[in-house]
Amino acid sequence: EVQLVESGGGLVKPGESLRLSCAASGFTFSTYAMNWVRQAPGKGLEWVSSISSSSSNIYYADSVRGRFTISRDNAKNSLYLQMNTLRADDTAMYYCVREMVRGGIWGQGTMVTVSS
Amino acid sequence: QTVVTQEPSFSVSPGGTVTLTCGLSSGSVSTNYYPSWYQQTPGQAPRTLIYTTNTRSSGVPDRFSGSILGNKAALTITGAQADDESDYYCVLYIGSGIWVFGGGTKLTVL
Repeated sequence: EVQLVESGGGLVKPGESLRLSCAASGFTFSTYAMNWVRQAPGKGLEWVSSISSSSSNIYYADSVRGRFTISRDNAKNSLYLQMNTLRADDTAMYYCVREMVRGGIWGQGTMVTVSS
Repeated sequence: QTVVTQEPSFSVSPGGTVTLTCGLSSGSVSTNYYPSWYQQTPGQAPRTLIYTTNTRSSGVPDRFSGSILGNKAALTITGAQADDESDYYCVLYIGSGIWVFGGGTKLTVL
């Protein structure tokens, strides 16, 4: 069964950091691009970042560029999102999503709350 | 700033047909934007319905179909059922590795 399981969310204060992880199983992780997509409470979906299968191409939304870093470890079938200098408007459910042009598979998400 | 537009809300009768659209604030949507559609019910993660314009994701009933209608991407639900009542989101690839989601359509079946 194809599965994505996010972890690492939690409550942090503004300016602090957090690292999210996404464990993939049931497919050949190293052959798929991966994405992070977030959803603020009661709001719509927002694409955050993408990374190609070999990590050679990385992209960010303007809202997170310079603060967030996406990475992956194909040997561990894992995707990561390092989030620095967090702000209140980063509060959201963060979803790991397999390559959207090849039928995106979504994880269940991990919640990040930024509040003092 | 590219804005992807969707109807904020839509209503359909059980058994009816509804077409939701996904447009651009400036310009026309084509297959080059690789439009995808997602369904989300409250408290759940989104589920992929359609990707690359008209490819149905595994397990999605064939009453869901995707297309380009005029200058927009479209999701058509034929024979709407009560459990189709959900939020529907589209996403477009606008180039340079960037994806943009629409604001979502809240579909009511009544």
